[in-house]
Amino acid sequence: GAGVSQTPSNKVTEKGKYVELRCDPISGHTALYWYRQSLGQGPEFLIYFQGTGAADDSGLPNDRFFAVRPEGSVSTLKIQRTERGDSAVYLCASSLSRGTGELFFGEGSRLTVL
Amino acid sequence: AQTVTQSQPEMSVQEAETVTLSCTYDTSESDYYLFWYKQPPSRQMILVIRQEAYKQQNATENRFSVNFQKAAKSFSLKISDSQLGDAAMYFCAYVKYGGATNKLIFGTGTLLAVQP
Repeated sequence: GAGVSQTPSNKVTEKGKYVELRCDPISGHTALYWYRQSLGQGPEFLIYFQGTGAADDSGLPNDRFFAVRPEGSVSTLKIQRTERGDSAVYLCASSLSRGTGELFFGEGSRLTVL
Repeated sequence: AQTVTQSQPEMSVQEAETVTLSCTYDTSESDYYLFWYKQPPSRQMILVIRQEAYKQQNATENRFSVNFQKAAKSFSLKISDSQLGDAAMYFCAYVKYGGATNKLIFGTGTLLAVQP
């Protein structure tokens, strides 16, 4: 597509529920990143995919968070047993490669856990 | 570990005036990139300007320029002839050159208001 697309734009859920956030990167971009941005903070790295594999998942806060990219394009961030502290904007970004550092971001998914 | 610090939570500038946003960083690496990203209310992060650490010349993109002081680990953004559309959150970011993941490290941001 023309840009990075993220769905849903906003998601409200109850504590303890399961949530999936989707990211459709720019066509041809092999690198895909998930970031989490809490209120008043800068984005924090969660996970990086190169193709289908998670090359770096060091930013995932705990085992309730999981992400997949089965065909090397669309990625899904999955959060189990959501907690109020998971409330944030989840940003997805893609790039052609890991060369220049320029990432192209989507508009994010705002998750609110009640 | 690398860190990025933005000490100005909020700044304000009059339309057509010039404003400078500050950023400092800490790294033991010699090769890296520095960026300024703009985040309007739409939430989409947009690249404003990029600086390669090995280049001594400061990067410039139209009304946007940087003052890169490698020894001082300082990377400020100057916006000239400020426009209403410049109002946004601005983030300074760092990435290690040639790293395994191209993982950006962001500062906490500066909210820029532009007064008409």
